[in-house]
Amino acid sequence: EDQVTQSPEALRLQEGESSSLNCSYTVSGLRGLFWYRQDPGKGPEFLFTLYSAGEEKEKERLKATLTKKESFLHITAPKPEDSATYLCAVLSSNYNTDKLIFGTGTRLQVFP
Amino acid sequence: DTGVSQDPRHKITKRGQNVTFRCDPISEHNRLYWYRQTLGQGPEFLTYFQNEAQLEKSRLLSDRFSAERPKGSFSTLEIQRTEQGDSAMYLCASSVNREDEQYFGPGTRLTVT
Repeated sequence: EDQVTQSPEALRLQEGESSSLNCSYTVSGLRGLFWYRQDPGKGPEFLFTLYSAGEEKEKERLKATLTKKESFLHITAPKPEDSATYLCAVLSSNYNTDKLIFGTGTRLQVFP
Repeated sequence: DTGVSQDPRHKITKRGQNVTFRCDPISEHNRLYWYRQTLGQGPEFLTYFQNEAQLEKSRLLSDRFSAERPKGSFSTLEIQRTEQGDSAMYLCASSVNREDEQYFGPGTRLTVT
């Protein structure tokens, strides 16, 4: 069964303290891996799509990387406004379905 | 604003009542998805449409749930005879192609009392 596991569940960082979030996946082939940011009470906001191992994407203080088994979201010198829940989702290569399979997310808090 | 919109944003209903939610996707997106999210969990897939055709339904979508997308534009999700376990955030998303990122709306928060 396709599965996505994110770690840690929660992360507290001091402003400027860089760190990484992990997303491990088990799927019968991968068509795409997606990172989203979600603020409390709001819908997920799209950040990145990664399609193949070795691929990297960057946006401001965020950098996403992908291997054959996991993805990392690196946060460099975070600011308090980066506080949110970060969700990882996969699209399996089973072409009978186009649903995203989400992990439970990592709740990030950045303190000044 | 040209993003995905959902209405209402909040709905409180009594157990046993019927509720209907609406989603307007990004205008050029022909794929529309419904997900449900409970506290502390990631979104769970419910169903999706390509244009007006409903192509997949999750086992989570019991016979009390029905979704439509007439004319391939907006979509509605109806829950009949609501139960307390239906309390959740209902999210709508849209995309252009099947491998593309899905853009989410703000969600409808349902509370069943």
